[in-house]
Amino acid sequence: DTGVSQDPRHKITKRGQNVTFRCDPISEHNRLYWYRQTLGQGPEFLTYFQNEAQLEKSRLLSDRFSAERPKGSFSTLEIQRTEQGDSAMYLCASSVIYNEQFFGPGTRLTVL
Amino acid sequence: AQTVTQSQPEMSVQEAETVTLSCTYDTSESNYYLFWYKQPPSRQMILVIRQEAYKQQNATENRFSVNFQKAAKSFSLKISDSQLGDTAMYFCAFMNPGGGGADGLTFGKGTHLIIQP
Repeated sequence: DTGVSQDPRHKITKRGQNVTFRCDPISEHNRLYWYRQTLGQGPEFLTYFQNEAQLEKSRLLSDRFSAERPKGSFSTLEIQRTEQGDSAMYLCASSVIYNEQFFGPGTRLTVL
Repeated sequence: AQTVTQSQPEMSVQEAETVTLSCTYDTSESNYYLFWYKQPPSRQMILVIRQEAYKQQNATENRFSVNFQKAAKSFSLKISDSQLGDTAMYFCAFMNPGGGGADGLTFGKGTHLIIQP
């Protein structure tokens, strides 16, 4: 068990570009969560999946954000037309339902 | 919606001392979970301790224990015999399992704990 992994670890992009992040959860975990963490703040919930179904989306998840979890395994988070305000650490976590969430190392996004 | 408040942005104690981190929360739910997560510098977040609201007994994990006061909506973390490796950001978090609204964790802003040698 290698834990939750995220790729890339760092991403620098120019405003207006699209970016995609990947999260590989712990293999037996059926729930997968995405959070965003800005400097000096706690993580904020974005969305979560149970298997391949996206069950909840925060109001923070604007139309420019889309997440998928095909086949209930890995997940991708895409941000279209990035803005400077999207600069943050994007965290992925996975869990067995109603149990401890295990976090990945995060993807740090910088939008220039 | 739930809110979690951590009123101590930063705390500093000497190694081997005991330190208590404060957390209060606001919810109308009766069934929920509370957590303390630790985020060391440039490292990923890990769970320190967890408390189910229906349990009256306070959770303990080795040097870490909580004081859960459900009526007061308070959930403090006590670290005994603090060690240099305890230096980290500590986040209090709330989850309402299966309830209406987001099933994700609601975090406080965190407390930066520094253990001095």
